[in-house]
Amino acid sequence: GAGVSQSPSNKVTEKGKDVELRCDPISGHTALYWYRQSLGQGLEFLIYFQGNSAPDKSGLPSDRFSAERTGGSVSTLTIQRTQQEDSAVYLCASSSIPTSSTDTQYFGPGTRLTVL
Amino acid sequence: GDSVTQMEGPVTLSEEAFLTINCTYTATGYPSLFWYVQYPGEGLQLLLKATKADDKGSNKGFEATYRKETTSFHLEKGSVQVSDSAVYFCALNYQGGKLIFGQGTELSVKP
Repeated sequence: GAGVSQSPSNKVTEKGKDVELRCDPISGHTALYWYRQSLGQGLEFLIYFQGNSAPDKSGLPSDRFSAERTGGSVSTLTIQRTQQEDSAVYLCASSSIPTSSTDTQYFGPGTRLTVL
Repeated sequence: GDSVTQMEGPVTLSEEAFLTINCTYTATGYPSLFWYVQYPGEGLQLLLKATKADDKGSNKGFEATYRKETTSFHLEKGSVQVSDSAVYFCALNYQGGKLIFGQGTELSVKP
């Protein structure tokens, strides 16, 4: 079946602009995660959605970052007033048994964000 | 807090050499442990996992054993190929939810 898809694959924006990144999880997966991969910081957790529960936002680096998940499926990560330090690859993942530590997360190809 | 530490790269090996990438973790409980791989230009893929002490995960000739006594999950392969060139990430998951990743180790295999 189809894997996790993300769009756009690349995004170049100017400092101060807002951007939206989209993630389509694997059908039937109840959990959705956003991570950020950057040269200086490695792979960092950003936010986690599980079903109808309140999302775990503990990894969001500032209030310029927000995310929503509509209808328990597609998710959008929004970065307002982008800064150059936001340049990174943003990865989305989904999983089917998120309450278990044994659960496998499946990753999308990522969106490469460049802030000029 | 929970954390994962990997050996630093880049690691450069000749084809058919033996590979070890060290990974140690700190966790308050008994996490599940994972190795993910990122091939050039591709997304993260699960390579193998182990969910309890003494479990051995294996895939594509790679192995890693969950050692609770040394809090380690070292990745090994007996004979690497050029196609194994990639970045390898060790990760843990303690209670479900987020993965905590090591910093990644870049492997380059030369013919």
